[in-house]
Amino acid sequence: AQSVAQPEDQVNVAEGNPLTVKCTYSVSGNPYLFWYVQYPNRGLQFLLKYITGDNLVKGSYGFEAEFNKSQTSFHLKKPSALVSDSALYFCAGGAYQLTFGKGTKLSVIP
Amino acid sequence: GAVVSQHPSRVICKSGTSVKIECRSLDFQATTMFWYRQFPKKSLMLMATSNEGSKATYEQGVEKDKFLINHASLTLSTLTVTSAHPEDSSFYICSAAREGNIYEQYFGPGTRLTVT
Repeated sequence: AQSVAQPEDQVNVAEGNPLTVKCTYSVSGNPYLFWYVQYPNRGLQFLLKYITGDNLVKGSYGFEAEFNKSQTSFHLKKPSALVSDSALYFCAGGAYQLTFGKGTKLSVIP
Repeated sequence: GAVVSQHPSRVICKSGTSVKIECRSLDFQATTMFWYRQFPKKSLMLMATSNEGSKATYEQGVEKDKFLINHASLTLSTLTVTSAHPEDSSFYICSAAREGNIYEQYFGPGTRLTVT
């Protein structure tokens, strides 16, 4: 079984500053981890995934995430936030059926 | 590539009627499609998993007689909400996994169902 947790309901960051959206996971075997972004009244857009390989995963729109096995974390990061990054972000885990975190609302303030 | 569409994007129906939502993979063949439900400001809840040509597998607590899922081809799955009630109002999202790559799901834009 695999579960993910997003400890923050909301993250606020100033435009141009680095952003981090946190995710921790719990899994009995190899973790399969994903980040998705959702804009209002839209479906989810895939950002990046970790299946195996390098711990630092680069994804769409300048986002990246670091798989940290010792801390069981898979935090999403971006060096310089844009106002257009404001959206709802979901961490998910699973090799076949995805289990989603509760979501974190990111607000980038101009 | 890997575009998934849903139709309709919004639907309003009267209580007691049935509504069908279509999910299509436009440029790839989807061996497996998933149906999710999302409540306002909440996460996605997996309702069922459907494989082409076989019966859907429903998650615990999801009524299979109420939420009928058909996956008749490698590019189309349908969700029919039967005898809809106001509590069925929600945002329904489908996703599709490519044949041979179950690790990456491509999501449709969602369907907003409102039952009056």
